[in-house]
Amino acid sequence: DAKTTQPPSMDCAEGRAANLPCNHSTISGNEYVYWYRQIHSQGPQYIIHGLKNNETNEMASLIITEDRKSSTLILPHATLRDTAVYYCIVRPDSGNTPLVFGKGTRLSVIA
Amino acid sequence: GAVVSQHPSRVICKSGTSVKIECRSLDFQATTMFWYRQFPKQSLMLMATSNEGSKATYEQGVEKDKFLINHASLTLSTLTVTSAHPEDSSFYICSARGSQGGSYEQYFGPGTRLTVT
Repeated sequence: DAKTTQPPSMDCAEGRAANLPCNHSTISGNEYVYWYRQIHSQGPQYIIHGLKNNETNEMASLIITEDRKSSTLILPHATLRDTAVYYCIVRPDSGNTPLVFGKGTRLSVIA
Repeated sequence: GAVVSQHPSRVICKSGTSVKIECRSLDFQATTMFWYRQFPKQSLMLMATSNEGSKATYEQGVEKDKFLINHASLTLSTLTVTSAHPEDSSFYICSARGSQGGSYEQYFGPGTRLTVT
């Protein structure tokens, strides 16, 4: 079962920042927070992951609360091509534990 | 980034026939591969996990005799849907896990859309 809770859908205006929240109140100390997205009829695409520090890469920023019970994925300047389902997943970084997908958030970027 | 390919991207088959889907890791060795299934407007559901040279481990409710998985090399895994029925029509996605730069990540293929008529 997915260990995360996300809003089912969100809208964002093109060019604005998209802030996608995720609750993971039962996260364990050795579990990372991963974000993937799935554009329609494609395989999931890795975005970013983190343990407890905030992370940033060329795609997005990940803000994790100090208690690690929630996080926010930030797309700084959303474009129409960012329209997708975004999945927040918690998982240990080591070993062969597979990614377990919840229902995700359907982000619609609007022109 | 690591690339995972799937073949075919789309396949239509008749009820009762078998279909094989290939998953390849193109630029890394995948010690573990995963197969997922996704029905319309639903999330990805893990079907099975396979380690190279070992038998696959299937999730509860997934018939191992119907969904045959072979992971004979570090770059290739196959999923064969045997005696396919219309309810097997779905989007099948493979994922490969391998080490790059010291960390293990899970990379996904583009998916295969199976339609059983």
